[in-house]
Amino acid sequence: QKEVEQNSGPLSVPEGAIASLNCTYSDRGSQSFFWYRQYSGKSPELIMFIYSNGDKEDGRFTAQLNKASQYVSLLIRDSQPSDSATYLCAVPSSNDYKLSFGAGTTVTVRA
Amino acid sequence: GAGVSQSPSNKVTEKGKDVELRCDPISGHTALYWYRQSLGQGLEFLIYFQGNSAPDKSGLPSDRFSAERTGGSVSTLTIQRTQQEDSAVYLCASSDRGPNTEAFFGQGTRLTVV
Repeated sequence: QKEVEQNSGPLSVPEGAIASLNCTYSDRGSQSFFWYRQYSGKSPELIMFIYSNGDKEDGRFTAQLNKASQYVSLLIRDSQPSDSATYLCAVPSSNDYKLSFGAGTTVTVRA
Repeated sequence: GAGVSQSPSNKVTEKGKDVELRCDPISGHTALYWYRQSLGQGLEFLIYFQGNSAPDKSGLPSDRFSAERTGGSVSTLTIQRTQQEDSAVYLCASSDRGPNTEAFFGQGTRLTVV
């Protein structure tokens, strides 16, 4: 079982729609969860982090965490063409904090 | 420094040559990662340094790959006898210690083996 798994893409959504990205993790002791965005040809950059169960909103982005289900998601509301990128879920391990990344989900927002 | 710095930005080398890639992490960051990313692919973990602990080398693809971190700061990734399949972008990231700290990435080194 991979440490971090993301729903397979690519994901294509029309402009203005909601893009929903999912991530599951295997380390039940993990405490924090990160979402990175990577534009083509660029390095990953952090866009959201969440530590507590429930929802966390930041602008058009909402992260949702359910530790009991070992599930974290990212919603992008009112999707814009500039949101077209690959989104990576990252989870540090509970014993040495090493970050494990999912394979990423590529999102394309159609104008 | 202000961010993670990698050098060189681009490197073209002949098959069979050795190459060294450098990473200068954010000052004070105890954790340092090396990843490899081939075109259109995800991040491939290579090695993880955390403070004075023994590095996690579980991602190194062969014994041609090695990395060191001197004085808990600068790191060098060395690839010996390069092969064409080593062509990729090599990314370095650093973070502070603890479970709630994000990793910051450098701009990467694009390696091309011809």
